[in-house]
Amino acid sequence: ETGVTQSPTHLIKTRGQQVTLRCSSQSGHNTVSWYQQALGQGPQFIFQYYREEENGRGNFPPRFSGLQFPNYSSELNVNALELDDSALYLCAATSGGQYNEQFFGPGTRLTVL
Amino acid sequence: GEDVEQSLFLSVREGDSSVINCTYTDSSSTYLYWYKQEPGAGLQLLTYIFSNMDMKQDQRLTVLLNKKDKHLSLRIADTQTGDSAIYFCAESRGFQKLVFGTGTRLLVSP
Repeated sequence: ETGVTQSPTHLIKTRGQQVTLRCSSQSGHNTVSWYQQALGQGPQFIFQYYREEENGRGNFPPRFSGLQFPNYSSELNVNALELDDSALYLCAATSGGQYNEQFFGPGTRLTVL
Repeated sequence: GEDVEQSLFLSVREGDSSVINCTYTDSSSTYLYWYKQEPGAGLQLLTYIFSNMDMKQDQRLTVLLNKKDKHLSLRIADTQTGDSAIYFCAESRGFQKLVFGTGTRLLVSP
């Protein structure tokens, strides 16, 4: 049990639509990162938020955006969905402890038709 | 480049030892991690090693790090069927960004 939850667990959308995925972590996890895991691949870093500001971004287009809220929850928004956006989306929270352990949520499985 | 490489598949018998290998790219990585992912689930941190260490043992798990060759391995002693999963190595880059390998699927047969 990592203390990180994500919703929804599964989601089906069509091309061109917009989607919002949510993540909630426990108090003290002031940094949240989002990863995309395509089928059969390792997770790819999308971006990270620290104290409600974007703190780093991977190789993802601007239609991937995020928010972090003071209550340790976070959102990942994806506009103009493409078929290749179908993946498991993972959020990870960390309190920046001794070894920077990132606690992962169970993920949201997004299917784009 | 960005790639962290792992072999794709490993099959062992219950009770044997498993060794999963990983080659990483960034010599400045501070920490290296091993994660386990079971079907339909998120990632579970198994263990980590600090870059100035050569070896770390944690119960059935032994991590070996060869910084010169940028090679990391995870040994699981007395492998059980419940260890069947995908194992990812990951290196930390800068501001807590993790770069993951492609994953090694471990199959443990009775």
